[in-house]
Amino acid sequence: EPEVTQTPSHQVTQMGQEVILRCVPISNHLYFYWYRQILGQKVEFLVSFYNNEISEKSEIFDDQFSVERPDGSNFTLKIRSTKLEDSAMYFCASSRRGLGEQYFGPGTRLTVT
Amino acid sequence: TQLLEQSPQFLSIQEGENLTVYCNSSSVFSSLQWYRQEPGEGPVLLVTVVTGGEVKKLKRLTFQFGDARKDSSLHITAAQPGDTGLYLCAGDRSQGNLIFGKGTKLSVKP
Repeated sequence: EPEVTQTPSHQVTQMGQEVILRCVPISNHLYFYWYRQILGQKVEFLVSFYNNEISEKSEIFDDQFSVERPDGSNFTLKIRSTKLEDSAMYFCASSRRGLGEQYFGPGTRLTVT
Repeated sequence: TQLLEQSPQFLSIQEGENLTVYCNSSSVFSSLQWYRQEPGEGPVLLVTVVTGGEVKKLKRLTFQFGDARKDSSLHITAAQPGDTGLYLCAGDRSQGNLIFGKGTKLSVKP
């Protein structure tokens, strides 16, 4: 069964450094998303992406964040200058029809020290 | 701010019992998803409900979407220890921006 994959599974970085989180969505899906989950809290929407552009973004997704689909299979989230409060699990999700039925990857645990 | 309230927050039952968990909002959603999440892993999609009043069954799990598309319930019949986990509901506002509830942590004791 096709699934969303994410790399790395765990990333440790120092405050102020740039990180890139990578995702490979399900191959016939056209809509891509990033969410984050701070330890013990709700899953929160960051950004949605369709047709090579951002469809919607939350207040969390400020100028420090960017997304890119550099080729036909990868979808990346870049944080330019990480802060301590960026420490969280980051989940990539994809959807075939752009509706609520989204399939999530296993997540990348980002730890900012 | 749209919120999805899930109840109960925690539920501990014996194997074989039935249970229902609830997901409520004051807002209307175009669809509602139920996920199950294990510690340190991503949410796994169980079901999507779209039509008001819709009922979907997945083996011993029954999902219902409220007539007004503001609430949903998950009913488990004859719970088993393998059902233990965190159950999340997530509503779709528009274009797939999912709003998640805090979840119901279910423990089923043998």
